Amino acid sequence: NAGVTQTPKFQVLKTGQSMTLQCAQDMNHEYMSWYRQDPGMGLRLIHYSVGAGITDQGEVPNGYNVSRSTTEDFPLRLLSAAPSQTSVYFCASSYLAGARETQYFGPGTRLLVL
Amino acid sequence: AQSVTQLGSHVSVSEGALVLLRCNYSSSVPPYLFWYVQYPNQGLQLLLKYTSAATLVKGINGFEAEFKKSETSFHLTKPSAHMSDAAEYFCAVSALTGTASKLTFGTGTRLQVTL
Repeated sequence: NAGVTQTPKFQVLKTGQSMTLQCAQDMNHEYMSWYRQDPGMGLRLIHYSVGAGITDQGEVPNGYNVSRSTTEDFPLRLLSAAPSQTSVYFCASSYLAGARETQYFGPGTRLLVL
Repeated sequence: AQSVTQLGSHVSVSEGALVLLRCNYSSSVPPYLFWYVQYPNQGLQLLLKYTSAATLVKGINGFEAEFKKSETSFHLTKPSAHMSDAAEYFCAVSALTGTASKLTFGTGTRLQVTL
C-alpha cells in the first residue's frame, strides 16, 4: 500500500493562475478530505467527501473546488490563485466518515503564490 | 461546535525528562479525541486516540494521554523524552455533524528536546 499520495510536492504559482493538487489513496477509503496548514493556525478543513460523487464544504472553502469521480482520487482545484492561498496542503482519508475513524494523511503539497 | 486549545506553542525539555503537552477541548456532543505528530516536512501521523473505551489511552513511541471529562482535557505525556521526539504535536477533536465527522485541530505545540 502506498497509502495517501499527493502531487506535486512543491509548486510556485503567479496570482490568477489555476492549478490542481492531486490526491490519491489505495486503501479503499470512503472518506477523503483536504486541509490547509498555516503557521500558528493548525490545520483547517477545506472540503471533504464521504464517497464518490459526494462532496461538501469545510471551514475554509472559498477559492477551492473539489470533485470525487472515483473512490481513489480527490483533486483540489484552485480557480484563481491568490497570495492568501500560500500554504501547505494536506489530503487525508479514512475508511468511513465516522467520528472515531483515524484519518491518514499524505505528505503534503507546499504551495507558494506570488 | 467544537474547538481545541493547546497551551504553549513551544515546549522545551531535556532528554530523559517528562513530556507534558496540554490540550483542552470544547464539544457539544461526546467527543472523540486524537493526538497527531508531525515531523519536519512530513504529513501527520496518529499517536493515539480516545474513543470512549478507556480514559487512559496508550499510543506509539511510549506516549499516553488521559481523557478527563470534568476538566475537558486530553493532555499528552511521555515519562522520558528522546531526541527523536522533537516534532510538532497536534491535538484534535472529532464529532459527527450531519453526514460526516469533522476533525478540528488545535494550533499545535512544537516540542524541542535538548541534551
